[in-house]
Amino acid sequence: QVTLRESGPALVKPTQTLTLTCTFSGFSLSTTGVCVTWIRQPPGKALEWLALIDWDEDKYYSTSLKTRLTISKDASKNQVVLTMTNMDPVDTATYYCARSRVGGSCYGFQHWGQGALVTVSS
Amino acid sequence: DIQMTQSPSSLSASVGDRVTITCQASQDISTYLNWYQQKAGKAPKLLIYEASSLEAGVPSRFSGSGSGTDYIFTITSLQPEDIATYYCQQYDTLPLTFGGGTKVEIK
Repeated sequence: QVTLRESGPALVKPTQTLTLTCTFSGFSLSTTGVCVTWIRQPPGKALEWLALIDWDEDKYYSTSLKTRLTISKDASKNQVVLTMTNMDPVDTATYYCARSRVGGSCYGFQHWGQGALVTVSS
Repeated sequence: DIQMTQSPSSLSASVGDRVTITCQASQDISTYLNWYQQKAGKAPKLLIYEASSLEAGVPSRFSGSGSGTDYIFTITSLQPEDIATYYCQQYDTLPLTFGGGTKVEIK
């Protein structure tokens, strides 16, 4: 059974760096074709893709946020970590990690975590 | 970045009605399009991939079609449990981009 769970601070101050961890089970990120992504959703707004890491450790980022984002994996811990620098109140959102479909494109997300609400406020 | 324009932003329909949502890409995305359902307070759920392929376990009342820049998502007979917001997402070109969402309500 595939599960993903996001963890990290619920509240960060403006200008701080956010570090979110996606801990997963039921699959290996070393398996060919497997990808894990981060997607966020501000309250009442649409989904926004942030970053993706694949089984080969290739990394891809949102155009508008790429200077602030870093995605990495720790295969031994079954974790994917996202860091976002220089947090601002507009970054207040629920942050989701998700895994790609089995046997398909890296870019369709079949399994999702429950989401982690991050509020940016002083 | 490819822009995804989804319409309408919201709709209200009766149980049993046919519901149609459209998604237009700013350039040809060659059917590299997914549709998701998101119920209130929950994570999105993948319903359709590659524009028209139904994800395993998804009811057959959901379908997708389209090509080039224009795509359609259809619920053939709206059920109360279909109340949700629906999103399209293109994966022809990175960065991945989502439509603005369509909130579906029961009349």
